[in-house]
Amino acid sequence: EAGVAQSPRYKIIEKRQSVAFWCNPISGHATLYWYQQILGQGPKLLIQFQNNGVVDDSQLPKDRFSAERLKGVDSTLKIQPAKLEDSAVYLCASSPGLSEQYFGPGTRLTVT
Amino acid sequence: GNSVTQMEGPVTLSEEAFLTINCTYTATGYPSLFWYVQYPGEGLQLLLKATKADDKGSNKGFEATYRKETTSFHLEKGSVQVSDSAVYFCAGNNSGGYQKVTFGTGTKLQVIP
Repeated sequence: EAGVAQSPRYKIIEKRQSVAFWCNPISGHATLYWYQQILGQGPKLLIQFQNNGVVDDSQLPKDRFSAERLKGVDSTLKIQPAKLEDSAVYLCASSPGLSEQYFGPGTRLTVT
Repeated sequence: GNSVTQMEGPVTLSEEAFLTINCTYTATGYPSLFWYVQYPGEGLQLLLKATKADDKGSNKGFEATYRKETTSFHLEKGSVQVSDSAVYFCAGNNSGGYQKVTFGTGTKLQVIP
């Protein structure tokens, strides 16, 4: 079974630029999560999708972050414009239901 | 809301030493509890889980028991190896509605030969 795929693995941008991350969850997993993991901290949930609907985006900075999950499969997370404090690893995870999550390798974003 | 507190690291042990990483949780209802591990340069992966009180999760020599009376889920291993060097995250989910997982801050373990 293929795991959760993410791209790119690394991205370096300047502040005020835009960036997008892509996630392909495990086939058949209805729930998809985006997390932000700042160095030395645990993952912080940004947004959770159930199929293609949002069930929790309470910690998503909506003035600059956006996410979508078209057709309930792939998802993209966008930051526009980026700030220095957005430097982090962005993790995508999927889950078949009320169970454990399967994580992708993450995208390491550096904002200079 | 739910919260998870785990011991701060880093933890440095010699090979074959006994490992304990403490984790306590605060939650309404009866959450499921998890330990995830993150090896250098990789994403998180589930190590073990317990879904109800007194359940014991185990995997790769690691164990953790869901203690409702002390709201704890401490991770233990009898004899660590260099390959166990990683960051360990305790996590718990809410017990109703959609699943929302709260992670602890992580404990870095370094095992030296």
